[in-house]
Amino acid sequence: AQRVTQPEKLLSVFKGAPVELKCNYSYSGSPELFWYVQYSRQRLQLLLRHISRESIKGFTADLNKGETSFHLKKPFAQEEDSAMYYCALRSGGYQKVTFGTGTKLQVIP
Amino acid sequence: GAVVSQHPSWVICKSGTSVKIECRSLDFQATTMFWYRQFPKQSLMLMATSNEGSKATYEQGVEKDKFLINHASLTLSTLTVTSAHPEDSSFYICSARKRAGYTDTQYFGPGTRLTVL
Repeated sequence: AQRVTQPEKLLSVFKGAPVELKCNYSYSGSPELFWYVQYSRQRLQLLLRHISRESIKGFTADLNKGETSFHLKKPFAQEEDSAMYYCALRSGGYQKVTFGTGTKLQVIP
Repeated sequence: GAVVSQHPSWVICKSGTSVKIECRSLDFQATTMFWYRQFPKQSLMLMATSNEGSKATYEQGVEKDKFLINHASLTLSTLTVTSAHPEDSSFYICSARKRAGYTDTQYFGPGTRLTVL
């Protein structure tokens, strides 16, 4: 069975402070990991995926297979980063995506 | 772009009635669509995977006869909540899978708020 764990329901940081949203997963195969973001009153949208190794809006995430983690990081938080963030795992050919419970990021001005 | 729409955005119905929710991929074809349910302040729970031209694959614990899914075309999937009851009140979200080269991405609809009285 696949599982995604986001231990923090709420993370509050000051503007300009570093951000790290934690995500751990359990899956027996080779997973694809994603971060989705949902801004207030907007639909869920893809932020980044581990295979792309990209930086989106200053956010990065590195897949650590040893620690089964895929933490989302940003060196300097901005107010517009305030949103709900979901870590997600996609498995194999079936393409089933499992979401974590989400972390609400609140950036304090 | 890749836009997914849902209709209606909200619906209120009486207990015992059926409600149909539509999910459309507006500018791409989607052989696979997914239906999720989200309770307040909780994560998205996958209900079923909808495949164009074939039967949907339901997750464990989801009643097939209660949540009817039809994926009749490459741009439309429908979820019908049959004989709805108050406990079916929830936020239903669909997503459509778009393939581009070697990557594929799920694009989400805005969701449908169902309230059963």
